[in-house]
Amino acid sequence: DGGITQSPKYLFRKEGQNVTLSCEQNLNHDAMYWYRQDPGQGLRLIYYSQIVNDFQKGDIAEGYSVSREKKESFPLTVTSAQKNPTAFYLCASMGTGGATKNIQYFGAGTRLSVL
Amino acid sequence: AQKITQTQPGMFVQEKEAVTLDCTYDTSDPSYGLFWYKQPSSGEMIFLIYQGSYDQQNATEGRYSLNFQKARKSANLVISASQLGDSAMYFCAMRAPYNTDKLIFGTGTRLQVFP
Repeated sequence: DGGITQSPKYLFRKEGQNVTLSCEQNLNHDAMYWYRQDPGQGLRLIYYSQIVNDFQKGDIAEGYSVSREKKESFPLTVTSAQKNPTAFYLCASMGTGGATKNIQYFGAGTRLSVL
Repeated sequence: AQKITQTQPGMFVQEKEAVTLDCTYDTSDPSYGLFWYKQPSSGEMIFLIYQGSYDQQNATEGRYSLNFQKARKSANLVISASQLGDSAMYFCAMRAPYNTDKLIFGTGTRLQVFP
C-alpha cells in the first residue's frame, strides 16, 4: 500500500542527546514536510523540502536539522540545542499533479519525550 | 499574515445528526486553499476535504461538505449523519502562498459523538 511511514512511534531522549526521526514515503511525492504539534495546539512547520537535495526552514527550525538525499526519505534530527523537544512530530508529503495535487498526506507521527 | 481561527474548543452531537464545525481565516492573498483534517486519538492526521479559493461550488466528500463563504472568510465543515467513529479532533488549515505550500493550522475542535 502507498503511504507515509514514520518510525519509531515513541522515542525518548536523554539530556544532550541527538535523536533522529524517520519518515519514508512511497507515494512518489516531490515535497515533504515536518510539523510539530504541542498539546492543545495546531501543527507548526519545522522544515520542508520541495525537491531532493534541497530543503527550507519553516517557522520553528531552531534546534532541528534535516536531510533529503533520496526522494522517498526525509529524516528529522532533534539536536541537543532544542531545549523543549517533547512533542508529537508529524511528517507529510504532497504530490504536484493529478487528483491529489496540493493535498498534504500525513504519517502516523512520532511522540518524543525527554527522560 | 495568514491566520486560521477555530472558536469551538469542543462540540457534542448525537449519532445520526448533522454538525457544523466553524473555521474563519485571514489572508490578503487572492489565491489560497482551505483544508480540513481529522485527528483521532491515534494521532495521525487524516485529510477530509479541500476547497480552492477560486472554486465556484462548495466541496463535498461523502458525508463531509465545506460551507465556503468567501466574503465572510469562513470555511465551515459540515458532517452529516454523524457516526460514533467521527469522534476526534478536527483541524482547519490554509495553504500559504509564495511557493512554500506550508499549511497554517487552527487550534482544532474536539468533536464527541454520543449514542
